[in-house]
Amino acid sequence: SQQGEEDPQALSIQEGENATMNCSYKTSINNLQWYRQNSGRGLVHLILIRSNEREKHSGRLRVTLDTSKKSSSLLITASRAADTASYFCATEANTGTASKLTFGTGTRLQVTL
Amino acid sequence: NAGVMQNPRHLVRRRGQEARLRCSPMKGHSHVYWYRQLPEEGLKFMVYLQKENIIDESGMPKERFSAEFPKEGPSILRIQQVVRGDSAAYFCASSRTAYNEQFFGPGTRLTVL
Repeated sequence: SQQGEEDPQALSIQEGENATMNCSYKTSINNLQWYRQNSGRGLVHLILIRSNEREKHSGRLRVTLDTSKKSSSLLITASRAADTASYFCATEANTGTASKLTFGTGTRLQVTL
Repeated sequence: NAGVMQNPRHLVRRRGQEARLRCSPMKGHSHVYWYRQLPEEGLKFMVYLQKENIIDESGMPKERFSAEFPKEGPSILRIQQVVRGDSAAYFCASSRTAYNEQFFGPGTRLTVL
């Protein structure tokens, strides 16, 4: 498996339900970032969590990070149809020099009315 | 405060032609990153630049691809003698400093005929 692999690959829920997406990675990281991408569009930055943080909130988003398990989760509460998109986690490795992000293949979230 | 700007948004080239993609980072950002996204896949890092310097080009093919970020003007990703396999969405991101949020532009969708 590759760095920054999301699970599940696709998720379909009804409006009002919560959506949970998971991300696993392999190497030591400096931070982990979650992005949203609507079909055929650019990426929207959602949240950044640093390696020394365990949980972070932003509106209806809650991100957790477990560095011992090399995993993160993104929870979207009270989902809306507008949340339909692909969600990517991206890790920034703790290499000391490089600042590149390594993306997973994404979770495609479908929120139906 | 305008976000990251990329142009053109869509670019069509015939095999063998040159493609030139431009990226203007957010105001105050001196770190620029280029990523490539193939259909139904996550983004893959190509190159990381600071003003006038290439910091990390480990994800960029050795031949036909080059990138620059001059003292004045936008960052340029140049692809010479394009082939069909170069068809993809190319995204630029910028950050204020290393190890911080990277904000993405809308992307340039390159189609090689």
